[in-house]
Amino acid sequence: QVQLVESGGGVVQPGGSLRLSCAASGFTFSTSGMHWVRQAPGKGLEGVAFIRHDGSDKCYANSVKGRFTISRDNSKNTLFLQMNSLRAEDTAVYYCAKVDVWGKGTTVTVS
Amino acid sequence: QSVLTQPPSASETPGQRVTISCSGSSSNIGRNAVNWYQQLPGTAPKLLIYVNNQRPSGVPDRFSGSKSGTSASLAISGLQSEDEADYYCAAWDDSLSVWMFGGGTKLTVL
Repeated sequence: QVQLVESGGGVVQPGGSLRLSCAASGFTFSTSGMHWVRQAPGKGLEGVAFIRHDGSDKCYANSVKGRFTISRDNSKNTLFLQMNSLRAEDTAVYYCAKVDVWGKGTTVTVS
Repeated sequence: QSVLTQPPSASETPGQRVTISCSGSSSNIGRNAVNWYQQLPGTAPKLLIYVNNQRPSGVPDRFSGSKSGTSASLAISGLQSEDEADYYCAAWDDSLSVWMFGGGTKLTVL
């Protein structure tokens, strides 16, 4: 079945880095634009980054621009989010998503 | 502060109908499709409505969506207790080049 599985979350100190991964299965990953969306504790959803199906275009929320980098490996059906210079306000559950399918999320805590 | 504006809460009794609004602008809802998501406590969002008014397979026809100009709405008829959840509208924003979400509406079934 169609599935997205995130990994790589954890606890990191302010200023630190983390790399999130998202393994996709059950659909043609290489033809799908992909998003990272986050949800801070008790808050709403925030679109963080988007990458076109072939990686030719990437877009970022102003809150993460210059610190986060989205990338993908279509040969391995995997989406990535490199997060640098992490701040307390980056604490959230991070979801990998395409419009119709979301992963269960991975938790990032900056403290 | 979200670019898409939703009421923070809504409530209605079982069996009744409730409507949740989502107000945007010409750079998001005015130009792009609106999707609606349902999020139950402790779970990931689930797609309810896509491209303004289309239901994925498996979503009951009690859920319906509409869009007019720079606003959209989600209607839920025949409310059931299991409909208690947070509901989010979403649309791509051409100016900010990011997937925008409304602030979410917490639905309570009284």
